[in-house]
Amino acid sequence: GAVVSQHPSRVICKSGTSVKIECRSLDFQATTMFWYRQFPKKSLMLMATSNEGSKATYEQGVEKDKFLINHASLTLSTLTVTSAHPEDSSFYICSAPSGRGTDTQYFGPGTRLTVL
Amino acid sequence: LAKTTQPISMDSYEGQEVNITCSHNNIATNDYITWYQQFPSQGPRFIIQGYKTKVTNEVASLFIPADRKSSTLSLPRVSLSDTAVYYCLVGNSGAGSYQLTFGKGTKLSVIP
Repeated sequence: GAVVSQHPSRVICKSGTSVKIECRSLDFQATTMFWYRQFPKKSLMLMATSNEGSKATYEQGVEKDKFLINHASLTLSTLTVTSAHPEDSSFYICSAPSGRGTDTQYFGPGTRLTVL
Repeated sequence: LAKTTQPISMDSYEGQEVNITCSHNNIATNDYITWYQQFPSQGPRFIIQGYKTKVTNEVASLFIPADRKSSTLSLPRVSLSDTAVYYCLVGNSGAGSYQLTFGKGTKLSVIP
């Protein structure tokens, strides 16, 4: 199957700082990528849809000025958590559709963010 | 987006066959059914996908009745390493929209 990577795998930062998370499709191109957030023992919640060449689409309740998304190329999307606070601590996961006509999406390994 | 309903949890002994059923009464004509497996602190891993009838791969089988309002993931002879959360999702790529909505998933615990 297709491979999606994320970097870093885990990050610890101080409150008030910004953190950038990268999502890359390694062996396929993705004009669309998705960002999810997952709290402990909960399901994945879609945060936003990253679109190459245009603005991201955010789900209701997700602050676009706090979670900046940039889809710089057909293989890279970045999520920047600005002015992070402890409540932003979570597991962030990206995904990208294989683009082969069905909804087979491939997920990255996730990034564990801890804000102190 | 079709909503899915799965059992919250299931237990099974090693070596047994496990069947997890998912209900998706509002599935649309163009929707595919996809199952993912997730281990703690990892991203979901694709298991199997189907549209109708039966699909089988090296790790699982997917049974979909004619009305497509439900589907059953079958894991043959589970082992301890199959302990994970399993998600059933429905969606389609019509008009370039690949958005998927995750339900609560089924937490499978395999017991020695």
